[in-house]
Amino acid sequence: GENVEQHPSTLSVQEGDSAVIKCTYSDSASNYFPWYKQELGKRPQLIIDIRSNVGEKKDQRIAVTLNKTAKHFSLHITETQPEDSAVYFCAAREPGTASKLTFGTGTRLQVTL
Amino acid sequence: NAGVTQTPKFQVLKTGQSMTLQCAQDMNHEYMSWYRQDPGMGLRLIHYSVGAGITDQGEVPNGYNVSRSTTEDFPLRLLSAAPSQTSVYFCASSYGWGRDYEQYFGPGTRLTVT
Repeated sequence: GENVEQHPSTLSVQEGDSAVIKCTYSDSASNYFPWYKQELGKRPQLIIDIRSNVGEKKDQRIAVTLNKTAKHFSLHITETQPEDSAVYFCAAREPGTASKLTFGTGTRLQVTL
Repeated sequence: NAGVTQTPKFQVLKTGQSMTLQCAQDMNHEYMSWYRQDPGMGLRLIHYSVGAGITDQGEVPNGYNVSRSTTEDFPLRLLSAAPSQTSVYFCASSYGWGRDYEQYFGPGTRLTVT
């Protein structure tokens, strides 16, 4: 099955700086890569996703890039704010499945003032 | 729409007890899944279903059973609780094939097994 690795496990940035979280996946046929944000005590919520026919996608201060050749994708958050502090999970959809996702182990982002 | 709902929110069990975690969605989603979340280990798939009457195992299925008799409901049964099953459990649903793959999560159930 699919294997997703995520780095770093913790990340601390100052408010206004950028944050980058990286993930690699194992199955070259995977074609859907979502990112979820989980605030403390809350449920995970989708913040952005990308499909394998696109190299980059942006939504205001967040962007995701995909390198299919290297089998890795990254989340970029610019101009970080305290409300960006949360745990972020990347995931990959297993090829040939309806919506079966394999998640990374998460990155705890702390934005300091 | 209520989205994805889960009950109970909190539960304490003694080793060997059984219980059922309830999950329901009102979005007519075909795909439903159960995850457990443990510190440092992300979200691990327990069981999933691609439609009523169809279920399959995920990464960590041992000690859990599921069934899907309706599109809306996907209960998770713990057969004989063990301390290793102490975790936060999330149910999720999505449309599935050929449509939006976004998974919508329920609020979670925090389970402690003593």
